[in-house]
Amino acid sequence: SQQGEEDPQALSIQEGENATMNCSYKTSINNLQWYRQNSGRGLVHLILIRSNEREKHSGRLRVTLDTSKKSSSLLITASRAADTASYFCATDEKQGKLIFGQGTELSVKP
Amino acid sequence: DTEVTQTPKHLVMGMTNKKSLKCEQHMGHRAMYWYKQKAKKPPELMFVYSYEKLSINESVPSRFSPECPNSSLLNLHLHALQPEDSALYLCASSQVQGFSGNTIYFGEGSWLTVV
Repeated sequence: SQQGEEDPQALSIQEGENATMNCSYKTSINNLQWYRQNSGRGLVHLILIRSNEREKHSGRLRVTLDTSKKSSSLLITASRAADTASYFCATDEKQGKLIFGQGTELSVKP
Repeated sequence: DTEVTQTPKHLVMGMTNKKSLKCEQHMGHRAMYWYKQKAKKPPELMFVYSYEKLSINESVPSRFSPECPNSSLLNLHLHALQPEDSALYLCASSQVQGFSGNTIYFGEGSWLTVV
């Protein structure tokens, strides 16, 4: 079963621009986690935000969480070509399942 | 060290073969997970082990058989698979299952091709 939707499905920007990805989910959660996946590789953990937190930062990443709207966003500032990858949100449901959204394919052009 | 190690990286097997995928972590984590990912799709949860006991089975066909021999190791035994089972199989681990601060770490995956 899949928990959420991500939007947009694909995003193409120039280096230096900001990239924003959105994620919506359906059930109560313990936390929401964002991952990056380069083509054919494993998942790299980016950031975790707990259900009682509203915003977190890590380097060029900013994540927000709105539990009333059941949505989250990931902002990557000053993007680089190396940020080209698929980005997934994943919700850790109360019973301890991590369920992924459909993902956003980000392409950053040099 | 936040490393989850999976072997083999690539596996090709016939539909009558028996093979296994292996996963290892040395972070002292007590929850371990198997996910399956098809091309251009998100990972889908298959199994969760908590303290070496099977906690969640997402109605996975019995041709996939998980095993957790100890707290550091997780295996996925494969038998009589179908070509549609070809996918990237991802192992993951976390300190415990179902905790709000629970970062879940993934390995690089094992690419499985069933011929």
